[in-house]
Amino acid sequence: LAKTTQPISMDSYEGQEVNITCSHNNIATNDYITWYQQFPSQGPRFIIQGYKTKVTNEVASLFIPADRKSSTLSLPRVSLSDTAVYYCLVAQGKGYSSASKIIFGSGTRLSIRP
Amino acid sequence: DAGVIQSPRHEVTEMGQEVTLRCKPISGHDYLFWYRQTMMRGLELLIYFNNNVPIDDSGMPEDRFSAKMPNASFSTLKIQPSEPRDSAVYFCASSLRQGLLAGGRPDTQYFGPGTRLTVL
Repeated sequence: LAKTTQPISMDSYEGQEVNITCSHNNIATNDYITWYQQFPSQGPRFIIQGYKTKVTNEVASLFIPADRKSSTLSLPRVSLSDTAVYYCLVAQGKGYSSASKIIFGSGTRLSIRP
Repeated sequence: DAGVIQSPRHEVTEMGQEVTLRCKPISGHDYLFWYRQTMMRGLELLIYFNNNVPIDDSGMPEDRFSAKMPNASFSTLKIQPSEPRDSAVYFCASSLRQGLLAGGRPDTQYFGPGTRLTVL
């Protein structure tokens, strides 16, 4: 199973761009990279998913270099409401019963200040 | 859509008592997951079902834990007897499909609000 490493915590200010990097050195060919966000007293919520290069949606961008050994979640112009824990997951995409390979790590606790 | 529904939201019980947590997945989702979250261990996958059948229960910590899914719209996680170390937030999640049926990628999991369990 591909292990992920993220910073334990990060601080930033409103209006700034925040980049959270995740390392996954032993990522496998069939693995996808997924990010979830968790607010206090809530369950995690899907943010973005990618396999290679760059993916962008209305919430964030995900940058994945060619070797796929790391990925960066980019949050543009953060606000106080972006304060949350962000999880990077590397999960197998192939195989009918691949769900058990989905492992949430410790996450990055992002704190946004005014 | 109401999303994933869990009950109760909070449960306080005494050691040795039986605890039953309930989950209603999103209608039409084929996969249901039970997670446990603690400060020490983070978010752990306990068990998951596909079409009401338990597929992988390797994350269930002990025989005191059991999970069932009698139909597509209901699942329970039971702890009997409960112990103080079982205190945690238990999340239920569901997803539409996984693996090959999802185009070879992990499908989005939709989490419920969780049940905060305190065992005294």
